[in-house]
Amino acid sequence: GENVEQHPSTLSVQEGDSAVIKCTYSDSASNYFPWYKQELGKRPQLIIDIRSNVGEKKDQRIAVTLNKTAKHFSLHITETQPEDSAVYFCAAGGNYQLIWGAGTKLIIKP
Amino acid sequence: DTAVSQTPKYLVTQMGNDKSIKCEQNLGHDTMYWYKQDSKKFLKIMFSYNNKELIINETVPNRFSPKSPDKAHLNLHINSLELGDSAVYFCASSTDSGSASYEQYFGPGTRLTVT
Repeated sequence: GENVEQHPSTLSVQEGDSAVIKCTYSDSASNYFPWYKQELGKRPQLIIDIRSNVGEKKDQRIAVTLNKTAKHFSLHITETQPEDSAVYFCAAGGNYQLIWGAGTKLIIKP
Repeated sequence: DTAVSQTPKYLVTQMGNDKSIKCEQNLGHDTMYWYKQDSKKFLKIMFSYNNKELIINETVPNRFSPKSPDKAHLNLHINSLELGDSAVYFCASSTDSGSASYEQYFGPGTRLTVT
């Protein structure tokens, strides 16, 4: 069946450095790729999404890139801050069901 | 003016009991979902309803039964609770009509503990 693989499962970076989380998907019909952030004890919330007709999208310190040929997409966070500490989920949708990655725990070291 | 609300926030109960979790959205969305998030944080879709009709029913025990009295509500009833049911359950809604191509708005979650 369709699946989304997400790496790494845990990422620890120094405050101010960049963080990159990568996902690959299997369903070539997928055309919608959201990223959700879940802070400890809170609900998942959308932080950025990209559709298959776009290769890159940026919103302040976060950006997402999509490579349709390779079926992978990445989340980039620059100038990381303590409030970026959270679990990040990627997902792939557009074909009836949203398939979720397993999540990446991002730790920002002071 | 909470967009997606769930009750209760915490639920502690014993094995074998039956319990319900309620969800309401005031966003006018057509589609609602139930997710289970276990201790490893993996988000597992359980059910999806579009305009009160079931469109996704993942492999979950039939002890779990969703009920959608109207477009704004999707309740989850669980019979004969087991230890493995302990998790956080999230309700979500979306303007999506089944294509899975739009933002999902999550409720605050219900932490279920089965003892």
